[in-house]
Amino acid sequence: AQSVTQLDSHVSVSEGTPVLLRCNYSSSYSPSLFWYVQHPNKGLQLLLKYTSAATLVKGINGFEAEFKKSETSFHLTKPSAHMSDAAEYFCVVSRGGSQGNLIFGKGTKLSVKP
Amino acid sequence: SAVISQKPSRDICQRGTSLTIQCQVDSQVTMMFWYRQQPGQSLTLIATANQGSEATYESGFVIDKFPISRPNLTFSTLTVSNMSPEDSSIYLCSVEGGSDTQYFGPGTRLTVL
Repeated sequence: AQSVTQLDSHVSVSEGTPVLLRCNYSSSYSPSLFWYVQHPNKGLQLLLKYTSAATLVKGINGFEAEFKKSETSFHLTKPSAHMSDAAEYFCVVSRGGSQGNLIFGKGTKLSVKP
Repeated sequence: SAVISQKPSRDICQRGTSLTIQCQVDSQVTMMFWYRQQPGQSLTLIATANQGSEATYESGFVIDKFPISRPNLTFSTLTVSNMSPEDSSIYLCSVEGGSDTQYFGPGTRLTVL
């Protein structure tokens, strides 16, 4: 069965410093992995996705994630945090096959201090 | 990516009543999904709705409580029946976008008193 574990429920960084949001996955096959962002009182927005092409995936707003099979990790990074990055971030794995639905991690709340 | 709208955006309802949430997408899609996000929690899949067939419910969710309609390839409704305060959540619909990707609507914020 597929699952994701977000290792931090809350991450706080200063504006201009790097962001690291950690995610480990479990899958019985090569998974599709995603990061979604949810700003306060807003819907979910797709940041980036990994679907077995390049292991380093670039997304919107300067975010990127690296798929590491040996570590079963898919950590999200950004070189320099901006105040507008403050939001909830979800690491997600696809159940795949004919079911097609997504399994969400518990989320990491990112705070950005001025 | 698909453009998805939901109605209502929010509602406050009384215990014991029912609310129907609408989800409209700007293109034809085969698979639509309904999720629940309880306060401070992550998203949990309620059911998958394919046009022309009965919705498939996840463990812990039943049709009597969350009936779903899927009359065509661009529209679906989710009804929350006989509501209790525990049903207070954000309800989101999503659609398949290829390569296992899903695109989400803005959500319906439901408060049950």
